[in-house]
Amino acid sequence: DGGITQSPKYLFRKEGQNVTLSCEQNLNHDAMYWYRQDPGQGLRLIYYSQIVNDFQKGDIAEGYSVSREKKESFPLTVTSAQKNPTAFYLCASSMGAPSWSNQPQHFGDGTRLSIL
Amino acid sequence: GENVEQHPSTLSVQEGDSAVIKCTYSDSASNYFPWYKQELGKRPQLIIDIRSNVGEKKDQRIAVTLNKTAKHFSLHITETQPEDSAVYFCAAAGRYGGSQGNLIFGKGTKLSVKP
Repeated sequence: DGGITQSPKYLFRKEGQNVTLSCEQNLNHDAMYWYRQDPGQGLRLIYYSQIVNDFQKGDIAEGYSVSREKKESFPLTVTSAQKNPTAFYLCASSMGAPSWSNQPQHFGDGTRLSIL
Repeated sequence: GENVEQHPSTLSVQEGDSAVIKCTYSDSASNYFPWYKQELGKRPQLIIDIRSNVGEKKDQRIAVTLNKTAKHFSLHITETQPEDSAVYFCAAAGRYGGSQGNLIFGKGTKLSVKP
């Protein structure tokens, strides 16, 4: 969907380096998500945020950090503690609702992260 | 927590045939079931979804059925075309940390439609 922009498209990380992946949405969605995709693994949730200044760990949060200072932005930092960061990272967003679960998630184009 | 199993992992059909992908889920409280199509190197795109108060939903050549009692749901694609070739993911909205709503994804089905 054109409303979610991820950058960069490709990213390379050196040993011991932290890198930050950008995700911006102009859909006025309350909820945002970060997923990691490995071959044969499907999508696994790293972090999610239901509202500005609040976020929660997903299934595989170790070695990652996020912030949600603005509604439209949800950057993901892959820290040096993440020993196997090579993967395709997808950001998504959905509308907030009283029961915010039953809303479609819309994805960005992804960032492919590799180790140098 | 929720667990979603998807079968088969690969599926090859002749153009014009039908394709069926099946998923089962574990959390009986799950109430939202989307299906995504992902072409190689691209973003997953929502193709159809169903909520638990509905048993079947159709959109042209695509249909989804839901059996809440058995906790399984299926994607049906009729009259398949080469452009249907992609990886398809099912998902279920389950509970996580007391906050219901996060999608749990199946591992995907790679569909190949042969001309």
